[in-house]
Amino acid sequence: DTAVSQTPKYLVTQMGNDKSIKCEQNLGHDTMYWYKQDSKKFLKIMFSYNNKELIINETVPNRFSPKSPDKAHLNLHINSLELGDSAVYFCASSQLAGADTQYFGPGTRLTVL
Amino acid sequence: GDSVTQMEGPVTLSEEAFLTINCTYTATGYPSLFWYVQYPGEGLQLLLKATKADDKGSNKGFEATYRKETTSFHLEKGSVQVSDSAVYFCALHTGSGAQKLVFGQGTRLTINP
Repeated sequence: DTAVSQTPKYLVTQMGNDKSIKCEQNLGHDTMYWYKQDSKKFLKIMFSYNNKELIINETVPNRFSPKSPDKAHLNLHINSLELGDSAVYFCASSQLAGADTQYFGPGTRLTVL
Repeated sequence: GDSVTQMEGPVTLSEEAFLTINCTYTATGYPSLFWYVQYPGEGLQLLLKATKADDKGSNKGFEATYRKETTSFHLEKGSVQVSDSAVYFCALHTGSGAQKLVFGQGTRLTINP
């Protein structure tokens, strides 16, 4: 009964490639998020969608493009990968866009060589 | 802008020791405050939260009190266990503008038997 799932769990790729990370939540939540956690464990929001509409875009390079085909899915596509994109990416969801508990996926560890 | 500052880690304690992890924040308005925990290899999970001044959040023996006068939300536990070893994140939810969680840098806690 995984609440928030991400695929793949690990992703190793070469610089310049394009890759996608998928996220699905079965909690019936309206809001989904992408976070980036760097090697020092610092966690920062990248995007947030509410009912398939983008509501937060935190000055992320436009090589990163989130796509929400429906309320239960929020995918992250990354073009022209760079070394600095190596990190753990977490998807999360919450019922509301307000001060509501967020439920996190297990993370996707992206390594760019 | 809004920010959260946690005590520097890593923190290493012996089992049954008393734990305090300091957290202070800067925010406009009246944010909600959270502690999330990340166990090795997993995503973050909510540990406790408080939504207004003087509220105390508690869970699994952990407690934190929302102190508006000192802008703090310190995490405490009276007797830690080896299973408490994890990274702990203090966070605030901004109540205005683009609503989002802002995380502290995380504090790695290791409990030795």
